[in-house]
Amino acid sequence: ETGVTQTPRHLVMGMTNKKSLKCEQHLGHNAMYWYKQSAKKPLELMFVYSLEERVENNSVPSRFSPECPNSSHLFLHLHTLQPEDSALYLCASSQEAGRRNEQYFGPGTRLTVT
Amino acid sequence: EDQVTQSPEALRLQEGESSSLNCSYTVSGLRGLFWYRQDPGKGPEFLFTLYSAGEEKEKERLKATLTKKESFLHITAPKPEDSATYLCAVQALSVGSSNTGKLIFGQGTTLQVKP
Repeated sequence: ETGVTQTPRHLVMGMTNKKSLKCEQHLGHNAMYWYKQSAKKPLELMFVYSLEERVENNSVPSRFSPECPNSSHLFLHLHTLQPEDSALYLCASSQEAGRRNEQYFGPGTRLTVT
Repeated sequence: EDQVTQSPEALRLQEGESSSLNCSYTVSGLRGLFWYRQDPGKGPEFLFTLYSAGEEKEKERLKATLTKKESFLHITAPKPEDSATYLCAVQALSVGSSNTGKLIFGQGTTLQVKP
């Protein structure tokens, strides 16, 4: 595997379900990010982790819970979501969360909440 | 408030017809401006980073330029495979953004190149 991978690629869940999104980066980077991309809206930053420490929580509802067990893996735990949470969830990584910040994205997870 | 606006929203070109995409930004101070390409159903693909006014970068048929208020992505003699959505993003110099790498994205320009 190379670059940034995400699983699953597609997910359909009910409002009462609990599910998790997984991201893995194979680039040796120290920073990882979760973004939300909704139709007709710009990418919205959700969370930033630098060396496994959360450094940004962009006013995201508590029904989204991130986890970064090490610098290569990032999870987004989902529970009691709303239909408006349906979107493409993108993971990204960069060398560091600061000066040199070219972010490399995974293919995304298309989430549908029914 | 830091803001990024891209224009036009959509652009249709004939193969070989050169054009430019615009990214206007308002930030307290610019640390970097980034261009990405996004194909349908895929994540954004990194293209360029520009750090200071006057800087230019090229890759195949694409050339990105930067001024103090905007960036242009020039596409020379485009081919159908250049069809995609092009995203612009900025990282501000404010303490929070610099420490977290926060990028502010525009809405993108969807380019269609017809053969």
